[in-house]
Amino acid sequence: DGGITQSPKYLFRKEGQNVTLSCEQNLNHDAMYWYRQDPGQGLRLIYYSQIVNDFQKGDIAEGYSVSREKKESFPLTVTSAQKNPTAFYLCASSSRSFTGELFFGEGSRLTVL
Amino acid sequence: QQQVKQSPQSLIVQKGGISIINCAYENTAFDYFPWYQQFPGKGPALLIAIRPDVSEKKEGRFTISFNKSAKQFSLHIMDSQPGDSATYFCAASSSNTGKLIFGQGTTLQVKP
Repeated sequence: DGGITQSPKYLFRKEGQNVTLSCEQNLNHDAMYWYRQDPGQGLRLIYYSQIVNDFQKGDIAEGYSVSREKKESFPLTVTSAQKNPTAFYLCASSSRSFTGELFFGEGSRLTVL
Repeated sequence: QQQVKQSPQSLIVQKGGISIINCAYENTAFDYFPWYQQFPGKGPALLIAIRPDVSEKKEGRFTISFNKSAKQFSLHIMDSQPGDSATYFCAASSSNTGKLIFGQGTTLQVKP
């Protein structure tokens, strides 16, 4: 089945540690995105990539980093510089940037202790 | 300019009733307005979408009404069912801005 796989589903980390969230898609989509979801704030865009080896900052990129070395993969690193990292993180992909359907993974819930 | 404002934050409807969720936007360059449905512990999934050249789009029990002059659009769920209980997000984007902006979300509970 085609889709987006995020891992891990749940992650606990201590303050000051970097963590990397995995996102893999087999939909042959060019564009991939990372969103952060907090209660009452909707989905906020962290980073997006429209093509391999290229990515752009979204609205809340501070404290995060990404790479896009392969079309299928778009990992997100939550660095120790992110002041409030506890959140639900969603990865998505689309065949057309933003004006077409986004396909989301099931999310990764990060809790920083 | 980039915001999409969604209301209400939460909604309780009896089975068989009509659920209505409203969104408003400022940026007149927006030209794509999707609605996403999210069940607990899952990622959102596209429910229905509309472009501003039409005032209404219907798919089964779900209808988007679009008012370009008022810069508002809404989701109507007819004959609401307990299985419709979920969080709903409106969104907007344009080819100019290159970003999909989401509303704050509405948690819908349909009581049996």
